[in-house]
Amino acid sequence: DADVTQTPRNRITKTGKRIMLECSQTKGHDRMYWYRQDPGLGLRLIYYSFDVKDINKGEISDGYSVSRQAQAKFSLSLESAIPNQTALYFCATSRGLGETQYFGPGTRLLVL
Amino acid sequence: AQSVAQPEDQVNVAEGNPLTVKCTYSVSGNPYLFWYVQYPNRGLQFLLKYITGDNLVKGSYGFEAEFNKSQTSFHLKKPSALVSDSALYFCAVNYGRFSSASKIIFGSGTRLSIRP
Repeated sequence: DADVTQTPRNRITKTGKRIMLECSQTKGHDRMYWYRQDPGLGLRLIYYSFDVKDINKGEISDGYSVSRQAQAKFSLSLESAIPNQTALYFCATSRGLGETQYFGPGTRLLVL
Repeated sequence: AQSVAQPEDQVNVAEGNPLTVKCTYSVSGNPYLFWYVQYPNRGLQFLLKYITGDNLVKGSYGFEAEFNKSQTSFHLKKPSALVSDSALYFCAVNYGRFSSASKIIFGSGTRLSIRP
């Protein structure tokens, strides 16, 4: 079984809709991250969490919110989706500062 | 501003030839440096990292990377390319690692294409 899983893998939604992307991990890591990937821009950090009570904004947090329900679960929400949020979204985990990140398979989101 | 640059969007190499994928960075302090690979429809996978010590770091699948502090570079290399090496490669930098403000930034990615 995969160590980091994301659901859904693909999603099409309409402008203005609320959508939640979920991430679960079995690696026992405290740190979890949400990134978006756009062609030519690499990965940009949306939010990250060092533990259940510690959530931090990343480079591009506007229009997004997160919830760390447990050590193993970290959800990303788009409260009112817009077309420029169409992207590939990745969740990742790491054990600590400067440690290797382990990525989920990604969620491809299309906002019409 | 802190930044990571991968100056080549695409690198094309013939199978069996050596390959280099370039990465330079501009961050404060002594960062940790990483290379990740992304195959189609997959998440990123760790290849190798530099923390301290020997400037030549060996990683998965026969890849290695050379850290050059004076040039602030961390180029990915392989002596003999395989068609299966074709993928998207990302350089990443973790800086400020001894504080709660530790950040990770990724380069824009380089698509490596190995022709038979």
